[in-house]
Amino acid sequence: AQTVTQSQPEMSVQEAETVTLSCTYDTSESDYYLFWYKQPPSRQMILVIRQEAYKQQNATENRFSVNFQKAAKSFSLKISDSQLGDAAMYFCAYRSGQGAQKLVFGQGTRLTINP
Amino acid sequence: DTGVSQNPRHKITKRGQNVTFRCDPISEHNRLYWYRQTLGQGPEFLTYFQNEAQLEKSRLLSDRFSAERPKGSFSTLEIQRTEQGDSAMYLCASSPDVSASYEQYFGPGTRLTVT
Repeated sequence: AQTVTQSQPEMSVQEAETVTLSCTYDTSESDYYLFWYKQPPSRQMILVIRQEAYKQQNATENRFSVNFQKAAKSFSLKISDSQLGDAAMYFCAYRSGQGAQKLVFGQGTRLTINP
Repeated sequence: DTGVSQNPRHKITKRGQNVTFRCDPISEHNRLYWYRQTLGQGPEFLTYFQNEAQLEKSRLLSDRFSAERPKGSFSTLEIQRTEQGDSAMYLCASSPDVSASYEQYFGPGTRLTVT
């Protein structure tokens, strides 16, 4: 079974600074996708960024980028120029390319932005 | 299209009572997922529908839980004889039946409190 581990329960960063959230995963599959989801307080989960395992190039979405190290099974999220609205729980998630394609989530990292 | 909706948003029930939650996915999304999220944890997969067929159930889904998706549209999740351990946020998500690279869109969740 696939597992996702986020080893940082909480992180904080000064507004406008850069922060990196860590994620590792375990799988024997070759066809899979990785995601970072954001869950603001009392609001629904939204997608931040996705990475296809077959792509070597790291995904980037505006201020958000990932460092995908396939051999190390590592998938970290870098947030540049942090904004107050970035404060949320961040979940790393794995999705198989086969079968039900359900998401397997990590435990989450609570990100606090200090003004 | 207003996204995935879930009702009710909050439910308080006494132990032993039955409860039913409803999820309305984004129209034309063939895949529908239910997840359970306990406080401070990432969501855990419960069950998955492709159209009206329930194709996978987690071991977390005991025989007190049942889910349906008649006609492949909305879905219901029923919990019979609720226990305090059932207290959690129940999340619904939908996605197109195209590729695992497509994101799952989440609803706001139903928060269940069993007293």
